[in-house]
Amino acid sequence: DIQMTQSPASLSASLGETVTIECRASEDIYNGLAWYQQKPGKSPQLLIYNANSLHTGVPSRFSGSGSGTQYSLKINSLQSEDVASYFCQQYYDYPYTFGAGTKLELK
Amino acid sequence: EVQLVETGGSLVQPGKSLKLTCATSGFTFSNAWMHWVRQSPEKQLEWVAQIKAKSNNYATYYAESVKGRFTISRDDSKSSVYLQMNSLKEEDTAIYYCNWAWDYWGQGVMVTVSS
Repeated sequence: DIQMTQSPASLSASLGETVTIECRASEDIYNGLAWYQQKPGKSPQLLIYNANSLHTGVPSRFSGSGSGTQYSLKINSLQSEDVASYFCQQYYDYPYTFGAGTKLELK
Repeated sequence: EVQLVETGGSLVQPGKSLKLTCATSGFTFSNAWMHWVRQSPEKQLEWVAQIKAKSNNYATYYAESVKGRFTISRDDSKSSVYLQMNSLKEEDTAIYYCNWAWDYWGQGVMVTVSS
């Protein structure tokens, strides 16, 4: 199985700040990576697919980058509505696997 | 509008069975590849199973943790996907989500396995 190591586990940032969340795959996943946002009591919401493609309706302050085994999600100019948990997921190979998540809070 | 609605969650004893249903609308279900994903009480997401469309011979795939115990199936005439869960274990306790295309998720249904 492909292991997804996500960091940090938690993150505290100020409004307007830029934050970055990392995800490392245990092998090359050829950009088969998605990022999700999940707010308490809600289902995950797709933000980024194919490592760097912004999903429809997602604010442009969100961006994804990376290749091979290293990927990142960047949030520019943090807004209060961005407080949530974020998960990466590889869908390059079965079984599809998720990172452990990053809980983003306001400082 | 795309909708996915899961039902069938419950409190069940270890070793027992349970069947989840995901009723869908708003898209061409017969062409859709559907997933079940679960989230543990510790908030870890885990992909559970996938079923492809008729054109892909309804191929199915499973996480190792559920292989041999869970069965994913579909009824295209009802635009529904199912998850039959047998020999349930306490570690199967989770919110179970139905998903299409990684984009659309149901609201989730709680399954608690406990004596």
